[in-house]
Amino acid sequence: DQQVKQNSPSLSVQEGRISILNCDYTNSMFDYFLWYKKYPAEGPTFLISISSIKDKNEDGRFTVFLNKSAKHLSLHIVPSQPGDSAVYFCAASRKTSYDKVIFGPGTSLSVIP
Amino acid sequence: DTGVSQNPRHKITKRGQNVTFRCDPISEHNRLYWYRQTLGQGPEFLTYFQNEAQLEKSRLLSDRFSAERPKGSFSTLEIQRTEQGDSAMYLCASSLSLAGGSEQYFGPGTRLTVT
Repeated sequence: DQQVKQNSPSLSVQEGRISILNCDYTNSMFDYFLWYKKYPAEGPTFLISISSIKDKNEDGRFTVFLNKSAKHLSLHIVPSQPGDSAVYFCAASRKTSYDKVIFGPGTSLSVIP
Repeated sequence: DTGVSQNPRHKITKRGQNVTFRCDPISEHNRLYWYRQTLGQGPEFLTYFQNEAQLEKSRLLSDRFSAERPKGSFSTLEIQRTEQGDSAMYLCASSLSLAGGSEQYFGPGTRLTVT
């Protein structure tokens, strides 16, 4: 039973354009969401997070949007750069158990120069 | 401090053997986590410690798996009587506990291959 879903295994975007990575979750108890980025041979690196009391959080080129009614979140990268090419994991946790983070399967983003 | 470190980076073992992995977290972090990642999947939570106390274990953690954090610093994950299904990347992460959630910092992982 996959509680966090990323239905696009891969995505290709031209440099300078917007990358949109999507994530859906099934557990309505989740109230804290994170995005991690992973390069080959490295561990995941925290990118950005959002609490369920917000619907948007922005950090430089990265913006995460949360639609609680649809149980959907998305990560926007604008403008996309070749160095953004990596696997992106969506993750979620519950207020009662912040430390138990559930990860999605990941989306591999390729930014083409 | 350069981040979370894990040793060894790679381990090849024969089925039935025992293996032990080590994780050194970021020094001021009081929480330490173990995850397992297989091809095409995200990291799966195995267990976590706050200081030396093991506070939660996943159902994925069978009785062949044991984790320790004896002095609240480094941690070890031991797998006894390894099986081919144990082949995976084992990731360690650490964090500083904060109300409202905190980001976890991951190490590079130990890749286990059971032949």
